[in-house]
Amino acid sequence: DIQMTQSPSSLSASVGDTVTITCRASQSISSYLNWYQHTPGKAPRLLIYAASTLQSGVPSRFSGSGSGTDFALTFSTDFTLTISSLQPEDFATYYCQQSYSVPYTFGQGTKLEI
Amino acid sequence: QVQLVQSGPEVKKPGSSVKVSCKSSGATFRKHAITWVRQAPGQGFEWMGGIIPMFGEPNYAQKFHGRVTINADESTSTAFLEVSSLRFEDTAVYFCARAQLQGDGNSYDWFDPWGQGTLVTVSS
Repeated sequence: DIQMTQSPSSLSASVGDTVTITCRASQSISSYLNWYQHTPGKAPRLLIYAASTLQSGVPSRFSGSGSGTDFALTFSTDFTLTISSLQPEDFATYYCQQSYSVPYTFGQGTKLEI
Repeated sequence: QVQLVQSGPEVKKPGSSVKVSCKSSGATFRKHAITWVRQAPGQGFEWMGGIIPMFGEPNYAQKFHGRVTINADESTSTAFLEVSSLRFEDTAVYFCARAQLQGDGNSYDWFDPWGQGTLVTVSS
């Protein structure tokens, strides 16, 4: 199974800050990397798919990237989610997920706190 | 806009079974995959398996093979997850989600949207 490791596991920030969450795969997953936001009691929300594509309806302050150029993404293991100009509704837990191979695995989550 | 609505919370005894439903409001139910993911208390997400209703053949994470059954009823646009031989550690919120299919038409990509989740509590 591909292991997904997120860092940090928790993060404190303030409204207006910019934060970055990192996700590392145990092997190359090309750009098969997705990001979700989850608040307890709610349905998880897709933010970013294919490493860097913003899901429709998601604010542009969310962005995703993988290490290297388009070619290098073929062998990529490191990915980031950046949230700029944090808003109150952004304080939640964020998860990465690889869709490169079964079983589809998730990172352990990064809890973003005020 | 597709919406997935899941059945209500369940309390089950160890060794019993539970069946959770996931009803889709979308018209393209049969062409997309429905996948199941669970989240145990204080834990992250764990992919369990899924099904493409049009094909009918489910696939499962190896961990759950033999104890989990996933199927779908096209006539009601509803997918089902059944977990048998329940253990205390199966206590979790179970989510269904629509899975985007990759180019091979069989592998799953991102999951969107998700259902609201169904809490299954295994307690003696």
